[in-house]
Amino acid sequence: IAGITQAPTSQILAAGRRMTLRCTQDMRHNAMYWYRQDLGLGLRLIHYSNTAGTTGKGEVPDGYSVSRANTDDFPLTLASAVPSQTSVYFCASGNGRGDTDTQYFGPGTRLTVL
Amino acid sequence: GQNIDQPTEMTATEGAIVQINCTYQTSGFNGLFWYQQHAGEAPTFLSYNVLDGLEEKGRFSSFLSRSKGYSYLLLKELQMKDSASYLCAGLDSNYQLIWGAGTKLIIKP
Repeated sequence: IAGITQAPTSQILAAGRRMTLRCTQDMRHNAMYWYRQDLGLGLRLIHYSNTAGTTGKGEVPDGYSVSRANTDDFPLTLASAVPSQTSVYFCASGNGRGDTDTQYFGPGTRLTVL
Repeated sequence: GQNIDQPTEMTATEGAIVQINCTYQTSGFNGLFWYQQHAGEAPTFLSYNVLDGLEEKGRFSSFLSRSKGYSYLLLKELQMKDSASYLCAGLDSNYQLIWGAGTKLIIKP
């Protein structure tokens, strides 16, 4: 693995189904983030984790949950998908505060909820 | 509230210079980022400014004025591969990034 990976690349999901988007980084970054990106809108933060074992809510957390059991992995779960969760989801990682706050993004997961 | 404003779309000619502006309002301020995002791809880091002034990095430069809540990204000697969206993001007092909607830059031959 080089950098940050996400799976799946894309998914079509029936409304009401449960779905977990996977994210793994090998850069030993402390912080990880989940964003959604919708046409005409900026990236919106869903959840974040500043370090393994801790998580926090972002701007649009409703309907999503995360866990951070270790440094490398940060899965995002949709407990019961709804059509408004159709979006492109990006996972990102970074070192944290200060000028090392540069975030590195995974390739994204394109999710369609029907 | 927190807000990042940037133009939705700009068009420029190959070989020319273009300036993409960004104004920001954040709760506290810990820096301003510019990212590039090609269609269908992930954003990639271009620049970070926390002090006033111009930071030059090859064909790309980024400027910040903290007193005016203003930044711009300057792209010189435009190439077709520079066609992309350019995202401005401010780092607030909680070290969370507040993102603009992005400026789609179209380069014409």
